[in-house]
Amino acid sequence: QVQLQESGPGLVKPSETLSLTCTVSGDSISGYYWSWMRQPPGKGLEWIGYIYYSERTKYNPSLKSRLSISGDTSKHQFSLKLSSVTAADTAVYYCARANLALFKDAFDIWGQGTMVTVSS
Amino acid sequence: SYELTQPPSVSVSPGQTASITCSGDKLGDKYTCWYQQKPGQSPVVVIYENNKRPSGIPERFSGSNSGNIATLAISGTQPMDEADYYCQAWDSSTVAFGGGTKLTVL
Repeated sequence: QVQLQESGPGLVKPSETLSLTCTVSGDSISGYYWSWMRQPPGKGLEWIGYIYYSERTKYNPSLKSRLSISGDTSKHQFSLKLSSVTAADTAVYYCARANLALFKDAFDIWGQGTMVTVSS
Repeated sequence: SYELTQPPSVSVSPGQTASITCSGDKLGDKYTCWYQQKPGQSPVVVIYENNKRPSGIPERFSGSNSGNIATLAISGTQPMDEADYYCQAWDSSTVAFGGGTKLTVL
């Protein structure tokens, strides 16, 4: 079955760039929509952005100026880079898949999430 | 950006029906899905395309969507249903989540 696994540093200094990778097993990133979400401690879910058709992207307007999402089909991975981070970027970061041919709206598969703390 | 509004909390007695609302401008014109999230776990889809249940989700979960409001209903609520619930919809190729509702079963 398809599984997603986030990886990356758990601690990032303020003003630096947060970098995370999602490794997809059991599927290719050439199809579907592959997304990043985050959840600050004790708060709700926030959509960050997605990549589809391996290279096209769509970003949350509130993060667009600091955000980059890219894909590597050969490694079955897609990545997130968020620059100039502050404490407000501290959150659990999830990667997830939307198969809009199967579910026209939902992200049906999620990674387990990885906690990223922004602190000096 | 598109906004979805949920009540922060809903309480229900075991065996009763819990209803959680999600409001947004012309939400009924869009598909809405719902996620259940338990502490320390990733979200799980319980309703998609307004009223469809994924395989493995109990029949007591149902959904509706009309006008500006989507509703998740849980009939015969069980203690295991205590969790946070999030609505989600797409708008102009972007994704919006509601703020989440904590369902307490007591």
